[in-house]
Amino acid sequence: KNEVEQSPQNLTAQEGEFITINCSYSVGISALHWLQQHPGGGIVSLFMLSSGKKKHGRLIATINIQEKHSSLHITASHPRDSAVYICAVGSGNTPLVFGKGTRLSVIA
Amino acid sequence: KAGVTQTPRYLIKTRGQQVTLSCSPISGHRSVSWYQQTPGQGLQFLFEYFSETQRNKGNFPGRFSGRQFSNSRSEMNVSTLELGDSALYLCASSLGPVDTQYFGPGTRLTVL
Repeated sequence: KNEVEQSPQNLTAQEGEFITINCSYSVGISALHWLQQHPGGGIVSLFMLSSGKKKHGRLIATINIQEKHSSLHITASHPRDSAVYICAVGSGNTPLVFGKGTRLSVIA
Repeated sequence: KAGVTQTPRYLIKTRGQQVTLSCSPISGHRSVSWYQQTPGQGLQFLFEYFSETQRNKGNFPGRFSGRQFSNSRSEMNVSTLELGDSALYLCASSLGPVDTQYFGPGTRLTVL
């Protein structure tokens, strides 16, 4: 079974800072997902990637398949980015395995 | 296009009772997955259905069951509820099993 580790567990940043959240996994995968969960429970899928890099607005996700590692970057962070960010990995017919999440607080 | 809907949103039950949760996927999506989220264990996979067939089942006791109907709507059932079943139950739908999943708002179950 894949083991997914995220770091840091908690992160507090000042508005405008550049933020990086890391995710490592133990077994080869076909896709890695970054999810965002706001207080109240709703989960939004931010990225699904299997190689390289994807960008959406101020969010950038990268993955290194050889090193089994992915990073989620937030540029020019804003208080509305405060949420829990969850990494999940999947391979073909196996269900997603989730990391424990990174709780981000951005202070104005 | 309407998002994934889950009913009910909140539920309070007592130990020993059973509960049925419902999930309506995004129109056109044929894959539905269910997850349990607790503060201690985080997100854990329960079931995955595609075209009415269960493709995968997580490591949960037999008290947890589910099904998918021909219109892709899905239900999950938990029998003989235990205090530890208190959790947020999330449903996610996707076009197919390996596509991006779209999550519903969840059903928060409290077992007293």
